[in-house]
Amino acid sequence: SQKIEQNSEALNIQEGKTATLTCNYTNYSPAYLQWYRQDPGRGPVFLLLIRENEKEKRKERLKVTFDTTLKQSLFHITASQPADSATYLCANPGDGSARQLTFGSGTQLTVLP
Amino acid sequence: EPEVTQTPSHQVTQMGQEVILRCVPISNHLYFYWYRQILGQKVEFLVSFYNNEISEKSEIFDDQFSVERPDGSNFTLKIRSTKLEDSAMYFCASSDYGYTGELFFGEGSRLTVL
Repeated sequence: SQKIEQNSEALNIQEGKTATLTCNYTNYSPAYLQWYRQDPGRGPVFLLLIRENEKEKRKERLKVTFDTTLKQSLFHITASQPADSATYLCANPGDGSARQLTFGSGTQLTVLP
Repeated sequence: EPEVTQTPSHQVTQMGQEVILRCVPISNHLYFYWYRQILGQKVEFLVSFYNNEISEKSEIFDDQFSVERPDGSNFTLKIRSTKLEDSAMYFCASSDYGYTGELFFGEGSRLTVL
């Protein structure tokens, strides 16, 4: 069955640096990947979606890449700020239909001032 | 900005009791979902709902669970006889597209089963 893995549970970086988070999947390439932000005790908030035929997608300081050869998506936050501190989740349709997202376990990012 | 609202924010119940969690999805959305997150674990899919019927459900969504859209605005999750392992944060979500659409999540209902 399809699995989605985020390679590190926690990542600490200095303010102003670029944070890079990794999402790996097994088996077949999903049609798309989504990235969400989750703050403690709150619901996930959608950030970006990238389709399998797109190499890169940007939104303000955020950039997502999708490498179907490596079976990997990278999520970058440039010029990071303490307010970017949160858990970042990647999600894909998994084995079910597109309406059934499978989430990774998340990477907790802490941006140090 | 439109948002998904959930009530209650926290419910404590005794094992074996019935619980109903309520959600008001974004008004023009057509697809509705319930996900849950046990403390410290992944967000897990429970069920999706479209056109007044269940579209998909996961293995977690057994006979103890049911969903309903009793009127044009509310979407409910009922757990008939709660177990200790049902303790989790339950998130409602909605989307306007069933395929690739971003999900808009509510803030969650924390269920504690004693």
